[in-house]
Amino acid sequence: GIQVEQSPPDLILQEGANSTLRCNFSDSVNNLQWFHQNPWGQLINLFYIPSGTKQNGRLSATTVATERYSLLYISSSQTTDSGVYFCAPISNFGNEKLTFGTGTRLTIIP
Amino acid sequence: TAGITQAPTSQILAAGRSMTLRCTQDMRHNAMYWYRQDLGLGLRLIHYSNTAGTTGKGEVPDGYSVSRANTDDFPLTLASAVPSQTSVYFCASSGQNTGELFFGEGSRLTVL
Repeated sequence: GIQVEQSPPDLILQEGANSTLRCNFSDSVNNLQWFHQNPWGQLINLFYIPSGTKQNGRLSATTVATERYSLLYISSSQTTDSGVYFCAPISNFGNEKLTFGTGTRLTIIP
Repeated sequence: TAGITQAPTSQILAAGRSMTLRCTQDMRHNAMYWYRQDLGLGLRLIHYSNTAGTTGKGEVPDGYSVSRANTDDFPLTLASAVPSQTSVYFCASSGQNTGELFFGEGSRLTVL
């Protein structure tokens, strides 16, 4: 199946800082989602982005399917951004189920 | 809007007992899924259902069973719980058009 690698595994930033989270995947994809798991365990949809760039407030995401990676940008970080960020691509082949990376744990310090 | 509702929120269960985790969605999504989340292992697919009346095995199906009698409900049953099934369980669903996945709030299960 598709292999997913997220980096960095952990990131600690001061409030107000910007960050870039990366997701590399091993196969062509026809779907990719970014999720935020907050400190209470809730999994929140951030982006559905199989290709191109999308923005939502302080967050934006870019997927370059031909290069097999996706980036999540967080600008002007707030403490509420803390948690774990997962990317989940679906390969064009195989059983078409989302495969989750192991996540990037982001901690924003006030 | 309810979206996906899971019950119970948390449960402590004696080993060897049976347990059913309930999942209901009100988005009329065709596909539903059960994942378990364990520290260091991320989210792993247990079972899925592409449409009512059909189910399939995911990455870690052993010890679990599911049914999909209708579009809205997708219960997960542990016939005889073991301590290794201690985990947080997430139900999810996705629509036919985009495949975008939405999660429930999770059910924390502890098997002693």
